[in-house]
Amino acid sequence: DVKVTQSSRYLVKRTGEKVFLECVQDMDHENMFWYRQDPGLGLRLIYFSYDVKMKEKGDIPEGYSVSREKKERFSLILESASTNQTSMYLCASSLLFPNSYEQYFGPGTRLTVT
Amino acid sequence: DAKTTQPTSMDCAEGRAANLPCNHSTISGNEYVYWYRQIHSQGPQYIIHGLKNNETNEMASLIITEDRKSSTLILPHATLRDTAVYYCIVRVETGANNLFFGTGTRLTVIP
Repeated sequence: DVKVTQSSRYLVKRTGEKVFLECVQDMDHENMFWYRQDPGLGLRLIYFSYDVKMKEKGDIPEGYSVSREKKERFSLILESASTNQTSMYLCASSLLFPNSYEQYFGPGTRLTVT
Repeated sequence: DAKTTQPTSMDCAEGRAANLPCNHSTISGNEYVYWYRQIHSQGPQYIIHGLKNNETNEMASLIITEDRKSSTLILPHATLRDTAVYYCIVRVETGANNLFFGTGTRLTVIP
């Protein structure tokens, strides 16, 4: 079974703190994704990566950065957390080809910024 | 990417077939229809996808109309564990396939 793990299920941080969310997948997938999910807005793509050290902006990249130093690991960084970044953060991975549509998701990290 | 329209919510009796509709009237010829679901407190899970033909796997069946402007996901014998939000997504198959998840249909399976 594909496993996508995220470093924390729940996280509470203060405004202005630097926050790291870690994601690891064990299936040698090329693609990795970070989404956030908010009530009424569905899932929105923040960033994705199709290779080590490569990254592409998604729909809402402002206030976030990412790092992919190893194929299996994709980190989401909030440089200076703000209350409007309180959300559920979901990581996913997929093959590049074929079946790139089949994304495997982690359990999510619920981040609260106070 | 083509826009999709799904009902906000649906109920289904346990053991009966759940038929979840999706309209995608602006779909283009090279766009696939994908279905995912999200059970409460979990990440989304891939269910099935198709281009033109009807598809079936161990989880569900996908019926795509001949003009491809709509589709229906069928869960043949719904169980309580199928209670979830179901997302219909239309997308071109590319390598880095970022998917647009709308708000989906909340399916409640009733005992």
